[in-house]
Amino acid sequence: QITLKESGPTLVKPSQTLTLTCTFSGFSLSTSGVGVGWIRQPPGKALEWLALIYWDDDDRYSPSLKSRLTITKDTSKNQVVLTMTNVDPVDTATYYCAHSYRSLFDYWGQGTLVTVSS
Amino acid sequence: EIVMTQSPATLSVSPGERATLSCRASQSVSSNLAWYQQKPGQAPRLLIYGASTRATGIPARFSGSGSGTEFTLTISSLQSEDFAVYYCQQYNNLWTFGQGTKVEIK
Repeated sequence: QITLKESGPTLVKPSQTLTLTCTFSGFSLSTSGVGVGWIRQPPGKALEWLALIYWDDDDRYSPSLKSRLTITKDTSKNQVVLTMTNVDPVDTATYYCAHSYRSLFDYWGQGTLVTVSS
Repeated sequence: EIVMTQSPATLSVSPGERATLSCRASQSVSSNLAWYQQKPGQAPRLLIYGASTRATGIPARFSGSGSGTEFTLTISSLQSEDFAVYYCQQYNNLWTFGQGTKVEIK
């Protein structure tokens, strides 16, 4: 079955770079049509899509965050990495990674809470 | 960027009653609209895609309708496990979520 799990720091200082890793199993990111996306959710607030990478290395970013985000994949390790530069307390959120097929987020990780604070 | 607007923000419903949730897109998204359910402390779960197709394992009491800019999620007879927050999401042009509708017990 498909599973995904996010990992990374729980606390980051303002202006630092946040690096999150999504480790998955049950599918291959070299299969046509498959992607892995990142979505975040500030405490008590709505979901916000951040970025997605496809099996062919094509990528997409949220226009409002594009300048701060980079998404990469390591197919051999079954991992997708999201980096966010110059973090701010407003970036405090639970960060989810999700499997995407035909643009749908059909399997999600459990999420990881990242707090940005000095 | 396509903006998704959900209404109402909170819906108070008694168990067994029908719940109707609305979602509006700032421009046409065709039928590229999904609904997700999220319970406290859990990741979202895909309910509906293509505006009206139930995802695998989703009960028939959940139904979706609409196209273009106006969409509806209907829960025909609310069960205790259905009280949650529901999000619509467009995937016609990148991805955008609505702000959510909380379905609470009346």
